[in-house]
Order: sequence, then structure tokens, then C-alpha cells
Amino acid sequence: DAKTTQPTSMDCAEGRAANLPCNHSTISGNEYVYWYRQIHSQGPQYIIHGLKNNETNEMASLIITEDRKSSTLILPHATLRDTAVYYCIVRVVTGGGADGLTFGKGTHLIIQP
Amino acid sequence: NAGVTQTPKFRILKIGQSMTLQCAQDMNHNYMYWYRQDPGMGLKLIYYSVGAGITDKGEVPNGYNVSRSTTEDFPLRLELAAPSQTSVYFCASSYSSVLGEQYFGPGTRLTVT
Repeated sequence: DAKTTQPTSMDCAEGRAANLPCNHSTISGNEYVYWYRQIHSQGPQYIIHGLKNNETNEMASLIITEDRKSSTLILPHATLRDTAVYYCIVRVVTGGGADGLTFGKGTHLIIQP
Repeated sequence: NAGVTQTPKFRILKIGQSMTLQCAQDMNHNYMYWYRQDPGMGLKLIYYSVGAGITDKGEVPNGYNVSRSTTEDFPLRLELAAPSQTSVYFCASSYSSVLGEQYFGPGTRLTVT
């Protein structure tokens, strides 16, 4: 799986959009970009994933650059409950077997009141 | 649905003791995973299973064993506990290994002294 680079930490004001960047310059054509988050002392929670098109769901939007070398997770109206470590994961999609997720250290997002 | 459940929540072991971490899911997922998370780090895959009776090693399997006799349960066995196994253990499941999101349990915090 391609390596990802994320900032160690970020602050965002409550009610504003939180934009979390991720660099994955060595991504290959069959690799998806996944985002998970981990609120303190809890198990990770899936947020969103995409291949090359931008994606949106009820939690967030995922913007992937045209060359797919980087992406941005957007939380449109951040709340205090969004304070968590956010993991950007690039994952090879294979036809069989099970693929575990490779977690780096992620970005610690702190929402300020 | 209860989702993914793990027991116990906390455990302290002495060096050389053994124990089994329990994991169960009620979503009829074929794929199940065990991860460990050391302080300040991301998760690392220990073992995974693609269905009842089928298991395989992940990135850090040494010192652990698993079994999968039913779709619902995926216990993790620690034999001869060592201080290096002090960690938080997360179990996860997914309906598909290809694109499916993984659902995580609340974790078991294990200390070996």
C-alpha cells in the first residue's frame, strides 16, 4: 500500500469547515483512499472512501486531486464531538482474501469552542 | 444490532500468563480482524479471517493465536504474555474485503507486568 503523509495536528473553530490534507504521492491506479477517525479511547470509525471522483456522505466530503497524489477530507460544520485523530489510508483493492488497514499516526484534529 | 463487542474492557496480566480476548459480531460479516494499538501509534494488524474455519497472519502475529469456529466469534489467544504485548486490542469486521468499511469494537486495554 502507498505511504501517506498527514500533519500531526490541526485546530479548527467550532462551526467552521475543517479541511484535513493527506499526501499520497506514490498511490497507484488500483488503490482507494479511505478516511477513518478515532475518538479518544474508542475504536476507529469509518468516514468515507473514494478512488478518483469526489465523494460526499452525511459525515464528510472527500476531494481527490486529478493526479490522485493528494486528497482533502472536509467536515463542513465541525463540532466539539469531531475532535479526534483522523487517519488517511491508501488501500490496494484485491479480488480475494482480506486486506487489513494500515494505520499511520494520523492527524489530531482539535475543535476549539 | 450490538455491532462488534469485545470482552473484557480491561485486563492486567502477569508475565507468562495466558488469556483469551473475546470478539463477537452480529452483522453476519464474513471478514474479521484483530489489531493492536500501542500508545501514540496507529493500529497494526495481528490476524484476520475471511470466514469460519479460515484464518491468516497479519503484520504482527508473533505471540498470538486465533480461531474462527463460527461466523460470529473470533477470539484472540495470548500465550505466555510479555510486557511487549501491553497494548489496546481492537477487533473489527466487514462484509466485504474489497471495498467494505470495517466496523470496530470498543477495544480491550491489556497491561502485562
